[in-house]
Parts: sequence; C-alpha cells; structure tokens
Amino acid sequence: GQQLNQSPQSMFIQEGEDVSMNCTSSSIFNTWLWYKQDPGEGPVLLIALYKAGELTSNGRLTAQFGITRKDSFLNISASIPSDVGIYFCAGLLTGNQFYFGTGTSLTVIP
Amino acid sequence: NAGVTQTPKFRVLKTGQSMTLLCAQDMNHEYMYWYRQDPGMGLRLIHYSVGEGTTAKGEVPDGYNVSRLKKQNFLLGLESAAPSQTSVYFCASRSTQGAGEAFFGQGTRLTVV
Repeated sequence: GQQLNQSPQSMFIQEGEDVSMNCTSSSIFNTWLWYKQDPGEGPVLLIALYKAGELTSNGRLTAQFGITRKDSFLNISASIPSDVGIYFCAGLLTGNQFYFGTGTSLTVIP
Repeated sequence: NAGVTQTPKFRVLKTGQSMTLLCAQDMNHEYMYWYRQDPGMGLRLIHYSVGEGTTAKGEVPDGYNVSRLKKQNFLLGLESAAPSQTSVYFCASRSTQGAGEAFFGQGTRLTVV
C-alpha cells in the first residue's frame, strides 16, 4: 500500500500556541485532505486541497498542497482546548483509493 | 440526514465466529470504503466499492469479504474471526461529483477473544 508519513506523532502544546504538522509521501497525489477525529467518533473533514501549491484556510486552520504533490502541511493558529484530537492527512490517487497517514495526536493544555 | 451509519457500534466475538458489519449511506454516493484503525497505524483500507455490484481489495483485505448488492449498503464480513482482527472499523462513502471528499461513519469497535 501507499506510505503516508505524518509528523509529529504527538504534540503537547499550551492553549494559544500555533501548531504545525505535515504529511509526506513517496507517491504523487491528486488530492490532499485533512481530517480530525474526536474520541469515539469517525474522522471529519477539515480541509481539502486539489491543486499543487494551493493554500486554503478554514477559520484558524490553514493547509497547503505541496508543489511536488508529495506533501502537505496543516497549521492551526491560536489553539484552543477543543482542538484536541487526532489529525489525519489523506491522499487520493487517480481513481478511488484514499490513503491515510498515521495521525498526529494533539493535546492542548489550558 | 443520517449520512453514514454503521451497525453495530460494539461487538465481542469468539475466535472462529463469523459476523457481518453493515454500512448504510443516504447520500447516493457511488464509492464506499471499509477501513480498520489500529493504534499507531492510522486508517488502513480493507476493501472498497466503486458502485453497486462491484468490489475491490485495498491494502489489508485478507480475512475479510465484502458485498455491495445495493448502492446504499456496503457489508463487511468476517468468516472466521481472529484476535488480529480486533480493531475499530470505519466505513466511508464518497461522491464522484464535486469535491469528492469522504464522509465517515462513527465506527464499530470489534473485539475478538
């Protein structure tokens, strides 16, 4: 299967700090997606990216589709306690298969 | 609008037992997927379907079978459960139109003892 390397694996930050995480792959993807998973729930889409170089924001979240199409990053500004959860990147190849990264677990300390 | 619904939410099986997990979506999506989630390994694709009557293998298909007899339903079967299949299973669906992002169910926590 495809390998999506996500880093860091976990983060512990103070409320109000900014957060950066990234995802790299050995394969070229046509679409990059970022999901958040709360405990006991399924992943929920945060941001979708469709073109190399694309920079997209959703509130305090900003994500970019890397120029090489093999990477993407997600930034969260001014973190708040409800940002706690696991963040997954996902890549879509031509066709139908989504591949997911291993996740970044975020803990926000009030 | 229910979105993607998984049944059951929890299940405990004995080794060798069989069971079927049901995924139902009401969004008229063409694509449906089954993933398993294990600690530190993210979501791994088991099987997927690009339309009614079609299925295909994903990354980790061994020990599982699937069927898509109706467009809205995607069934995941375990014929002879093994402890290695203890996991949280997620179903997702995706449209071929628009942005095409996947929508997930709430998961099924399966324990095989």
